[in-house]
Amino acid sequence: GENVEQHPSTLSVQEGDSAVIKCTYSDSASNYFPWYKQELGKRPQLIIDIRSNVGEKKDQRIAVTLNKTAKHFSLHITETQPEDSAVYFCAASMGSGYSTLTFGKGTMLLVSP
Amino acid sequence: NAGVTQTPKFQVLKTGQSMTLQCAQDMNHEYMSWYRQDPGMGLRLIHYSVGAGITDQGEVPNGYNVSRSTTEDFPLRLLSAAPSQTSVYFCASRAGSLATDTQYFGPGTRLTVL
Repeated sequence: GENVEQHPSTLSVQEGDSAVIKCTYSDSASNYFPWYKQELGKRPQLIIDIRSNVGEKKDQRIAVTLNKTAKHFSLHITETQPEDSAVYFCAASMGSGYSTLTFGKGTMLLVSP
Repeated sequence: NAGVTQTPKFQVLKTGQSMTLQCAQDMNHEYMSWYRQDPGMGLRLIHYSVGAGITDQGEVPNGYNVSRSTTEDFPLRLLSAAPSQTSVYFCASRAGSLATDTQYFGPGTRLTVL
């Protein structure tokens, strides 16, 4: 089955800095890669996703890049703000049929004012 | 729409007790799933369902049963609770057969087994 590795497990940045979280996956058939944000005590919520026919996708301060050859994808957050502090999860699936999502173990991002 | 709802929010059980975690969605979603979240382990899939009457196992199914008698409800049953089942449980749903459909999570149930 699919295996998703996520790094780093914790990331501390100063407000205004950029943050990058990286994930690798094992199944070359995977072609859908969402990112979820989970604030303390809350449910995970989708913040951005990318499909294998796209190399990069941006939404305001967040962007995701995908390298299918190397089987890795990354989340980039620019101009970080304290409200960006949360746990971020990457995930992968084959994106077809009733494929299930396999999640990474999460990255705790701490943004200091 | 209420989205995905879960009850209870918190539960404490003794080893060997049984209970059912409830999950419901009002979005007419075909696909529903249960995850457990443990510190440092991410979200791991327990069971999922692609429609009423159809269920399948995920990554960590042992100790859990599910059924799907209606589109709206997808309860998770612990037949004989063990301390290893102490976790936060999330139910999720998505519209249909495409994994690229957005998956929505419920608020979670925090379960402690003593």
